[in-house]
Amino acid sequence: DIQMTQSPSSLSASVGDRVTITCRASQSISTYLNWYQQRPGKAPRFLIYAVSGLQSGVPSRFSGSGSGTDFTLTISSLQPEDFATYYCQQSYNTPYTFGQGTKLEIK
Amino acid sequence: EVQLVESGGGLVQPGGSLKLSCAASGLTFSGSAIHWVRQASGKGLEWVGRMRSKANNYATAYVASVKGRFTISRDDSKNTAFLQMNSLKTEDTAVYYCTILGNDGALGQGTLVTVSS
Repeated sequence: DIQMTQSPSSLSASVGDRVTITCRASQSISTYLNWYQQRPGKAPRFLIYAVSGLQSGVPSRFSGSGSGTDFTLTISSLQPEDFATYYCQQSYNTPYTFGQGTKLEIK
Repeated sequence: EVQLVESGGGLVQPGGSLKLSCAASGLTFSGSAIHWVRQASGKGLEWVGRMRSKANNYATAYVASVKGRFTISRDDSKNTAFLQMNSLKTEDTAVYYCTILGNDGALGQGTLVTVSS
């Protein structure tokens, strides 16, 4: 199975900050990388498909990049509603494994 | 807008069975692969399995921990997917979400499955 490793596991930041979360795959997954956001007590929300494809309704302050084994999710200017846990997922090979999550907290 | 609504969760004893449903709208369901993802309380997300479309021979795949116990099926005429769960274990306790990946992807709101005696 492909292992997905996110860093950091947790992150404290302030409203207005630029934040980057990294996701690394244990082997090349081309651009088959997705991102999810999960606010406390809520269902996950599908954010980004295939590295950089923003889902409908996702603000443009979210962006994704990368290919092969290294990927990033960037939030250009944090808003209060962005404090949540973020997960990456590879959809290159089954099982479509997730990273362990990055908890983004208010500083 | 793509909407997915899961149902069928509940309390079941170890060794029992449960069948979850996922009703879809706002998309060409028959052309979409359907995935199931679960999340135990306080834990991360775990991909459970998927069924591809008719064009891809309804191919299925599962995570090792559920293989042989869980079965995904679909009724394209009713825009509905199913997750049949047999021989349930306490470690299957989780919120189960159906999902669609793609440029118009989505997740449902989830349904809670509790396996306990």
